[in-house]
Amino acid sequence: DVKVTQSSRYLVKRTGEKVFLECVQDMDHENMFWYRQDPGLGLRLIYFSYDVKMKEKGDIPEGYSVSREKKERFSLILESASTNQTSMYLCASRLGTGGYEQYFGPGTRLTVT
Amino acid sequence: AQSVTQLDSQVPVFEEAPVELRCNYSSSVSVYLFWYVQYPNQGLQLLLKYLSGSTLVESINGFEAEFNKSQTSFHLRKPSVHISDTAEYFCAVSEPAAGNKLTFGGGTRVLVKP
Repeated sequence: DVKVTQSSRYLVKRTGEKVFLECVQDMDHENMFWYRQDPGLGLRLIYFSYDVKMKEKGDIPEGYSVSREKKERFSLILESASTNQTSMYLCASRLGTGGYEQYFGPGTRLTVT
Repeated sequence: AQSVTQLDSQVPVFEEAPVELRCNYSSSVSVYLFWYVQYPNQGLQLLLKYLSGSTLVESINGFEAEFNKSQTSFHLRKPSVHISDTAEYFCAVSEPAAGNKLTFGGGTRVLVKP
């Protein structure tokens, strides 16, 4: 079974702090994704990566950056956290060529105070 | 750009009753369609998908969805729900020609009552 793990289930940070959210997958998937989930808005794509050191902006990249130095790990960075970034963050991975299904981690609920 | 609309944000239903969750999408090209389920305090899991072929697709736990191209819909149904079906359900669409990025609907929260 594919396993996608996220470094924290719950996180509380202060406004202006730099925040790192880590995601690790164990199935050698090429593609990895970061979403944020908000009530009534579903999941919105922040950034994705097709391969190591490659990244592309999703629909709502403002205020975020990402890093993918190793195939199994994809990090989401909030350079200066703000209260409007309080949300649930979900990481997903997918096989590259021929892959359709995305496999999701359990999520990190981030609160910025 | 593609978009997905889930018409009901919440659906309360009694145990053993049928349920239908509606999903409409907007896209002018060929698409793949998905339903994901999120149980409380968990990540999303794929429930079923339509890629091609038969327009009626089924899951292992009794859900089914039908792709209707003319109405651009992919409604999810179950004839008899269980308490364990209480969850949030997300419809999603991807365009193969656009790298298969998923676009999600806003979600439908199903609450099954005894």
